[in-house]
Amino acid sequence: QQPVQSPQAVILREGEDAVINCSSSKALYSVHWYRQKHGEAPVFLMILLKGGEQKGHEKISASFNEKKQQSSLYLTASQLSYSGTYFCGTEPGGSQGNLIFGKGTKLSVKP
Amino acid sequence: SQTIHQWPATLVQPVGSPLSLECTVEGTSNPNLYWYRQAAGRGLQLLFYSVGIGQISSEVPQNLSASRPQDRQFILSSKKLLLSDSGFYLCAWSWEGEQFFGPGTRLTVL
Repeated sequence: QQPVQSPQAVILREGEDAVINCSSSKALYSVHWYRQKHGEAPVFLMILLKGGEQKGHEKISASFNEKKQQSSLYLTASQLSYSGTYFCGTEPGGSQGNLIFGKGTKLSVKP
Repeated sequence: SQTIHQWPATLVQPVGSPLSLECTVEGTSNPNLYWYRQAAGRGLQLLFYSVGIGQISSEVPQNLSASRPQDRQFILSSKKLLLSDSGFYLCAWSWEGEQFFGPGTRLTVL
């Protein structure tokens, strides 16, 4: 039931792009993306509702393929501040808004 | 604006001792509240959620319990801590699907 994130870790140089994937075995109502810096609480990035929408937040965007039960987070022209662990949280239909989080993808951006 | 508080920030407790972690939310009423645990290098595990005063749902059977004595107060407790209870405990509230996390409590059980 826990969504699967890939890759587990990625190392980038400043300015490079990255894609983080999140897939679920269950039908989803929504997918949420969070970023967590070491020792800090997760911070909300964006939420995608079923309908195949795509959203953007500065140079970070995401897509949600409802049929494939997958979401991808796109980071373009990465900055040092993008470093952290990215979690997807999936909301199965009928879950009363409760999220199931993946194990996270650790992103390291080097100068 | 809404804010969420957790205390203490860090805690070191011996095995078998009791636990009480507190979470309070300001600036909103009747929020959905959540307790998560994050083990070192792991994802977020939902422990409890509450949709109202006195209404607690448990996601994982264990030696922890939760209570919601007031609308904006959520308490996580244990009568006897285990080594495996160590981790980063996060309280969160949600509004229109978005979850806002508190600063967390880092618990070490020795």
